Amino acid sequence: NAGVTQTPKFQVLKTGQSMTLQCAQDMNHNSMYWYRQDPGMGLRLIYYSASEGTTDKGEVPNGYNVSRLNKREFSLRLESAAPSQTSVYFCASSGRGQLLEAFFGQGTRLTVV
Amino acid sequence: KQEVTQIPAALSVPEGENLVLNCSFTDSAIYNLQWFRQDPGKGLTSLLLIQSSQREQTSGRLNASLDKSSGRSTLYIAASQPGDSATYLCAVRLGNDMRFGAGTRLTVKP
Repeated sequence: NAGVTQTPKFQVLKTGQSMTLQCAQDMNHNSMYWYRQDPGMGLRLIYYSASEGTTDKGEVPNGYNVSRLNKREFSLRLESAAPSQTSVYFCASSGRGQLLEAFFGQGTRLTVV
Repeated sequence: KQEVTQIPAALSVPEGENLVLNCSFTDSAIYNLQWFRQDPGKGLTSLLLIQSSQREQTSGRLNASLDKSSGRSTLYIAASQPGDSATYLCAVRLGNDMRFGAGTRLTVKP
C-alpha cells in the first residue's frame, strides 16, 4: 500500500543549484499534482497533469518545470533554485470525475540557502 | 478564480466539546470538496469527500456538509479528543484543479 511516494524527504540547496523532485503513485490515477506549502498560506498549486503527456500551470508555476514521465511518475524540476523556493513540496494524485479522492505524499522539505 | 477561505484560523477547545470548522469558496461550480487532516511535519490524510450532488458525508465522529449554492462547507467533530489536534484543510475541485484553504489549526486540551 505505497500510495504516493516522494523523494527525497529533505534537501538543502545553494542558490542557483538545480534539482528534481520525484513523485510516483501506484493507484493507476490519471491526475497528478505538485503543491507547495508555506506557513499561513495553505497549499498552492504549482503544476498539474490530467493525464500522461499533458501538463498545465497552476497558481505559482514560475521557476518550476514538470515532466509527466508516464502514468505513474510526475517530477518537478527547479532549474536555478532561489531562497523564495524554500518550502514544503507535496505531490498528489487522484482519479477522474467527482467520485475519487486525492491522495498525498509525505512531502519534501526544501531549503535554499 | 476560485478562492477558498477557512475560519477560524486557529481554535482551542477542552476535550469532549463538539466543534464546527468552516470552509467557504467563491465558485459554486465545483466537482467535489474534500476535507483533510495534517499533523505537524506530515502529509495530508483524507477525512471525507463530498460530491457536488451530495449534502453531507459522515465518518465516525466526523460529519461534513456542503451547501454549493452558498459556497459553504462545515466539518463537525463530535466529542473532541486530544488526538484530534491537527490542522484541518478543505479543498475544492473544479475539473482537474484542486484549490485549498489555509487551514484551521485545532488544539484539543485534555
